[in-house]
Amino acid sequence: GQNIDQPTEMTATEGAIVQINCTYQTSGFNGLFWYQQHAGEAPTFLSYNVLDGLEEKGRFSSFLSRSKGYSYLLLKELQMKDSASYLCASMDSNYQLIWGAGTKLIIKP
Amino acid sequence: ETGVTQTPRHLVMGMTNKKSLKCEQHLGHNAMYWYKQSAKKPLELMFVYNFKEQTENNSVPSRFSPECPNSSHLFLHLHTLQPEDSALYLCASSQDPGTGNEKLFFGSGTQLSVL
Repeated sequence: GQNIDQPTEMTATEGAIVQINCTYQTSGFNGLFWYQQHAGEAPTFLSYNVLDGLEEKGRFSSFLSRSKGYSYLLLKELQMKDSASYLCASMDSNYQLIWGAGTKLIIKP
Repeated sequence: ETGVTQTPRHLVMGMTNKKSLKCEQHLGHNAMYWYKQSAKKPLELMFVYNFKEQTENNSVPSRFSPECPNSSHLFLHLHTLQPEDSALYLCASSQDPGTGNEKLFFGSGTQLSVL
């Protein structure tokens, strides 16, 4: 079956760095997505990886290892506004998105 | 502002009621989606419309009935719902469905409570 695993909840301190991991098992692979969702708001696109390696966008970076079925989202210089849920999704061979349940990130001062 | 607008934001209905959720996208996208989001569960894809044609129906009960009159508007008609249908219903759109880097643009959702 197809499956995405990510931690349910993480806590980090303002100004610090946090890494949110995601492992996936899908039938075929056409890329790995990360979305951010603040409470009561729409999920918004953060990143897309289809090749192995690290993609950096400002304070946020996303990493992919296809051979390990593994990705992580790295958030640097954490700010209080980064408190949100982070959704990992893998696109399978039929271009269907398989979603994880999301990681709720709590930032403390 | 994501360019996808959903109304209402909140809805409380009894099991015998009939209501509709509305979604409108201002992005000129070709595909629109309905997702169900329950607490601590993955997003569940319900329906997909591509160029106004329904291309996906993921075994959704018939008490949920989608309608896509044009590529900018999407409705979800609800009738005789069950309490377990209480959830956040998200609408999304995308430009090029069936491609790799297909970003979804989501609305803020309708929080539905069925009593």
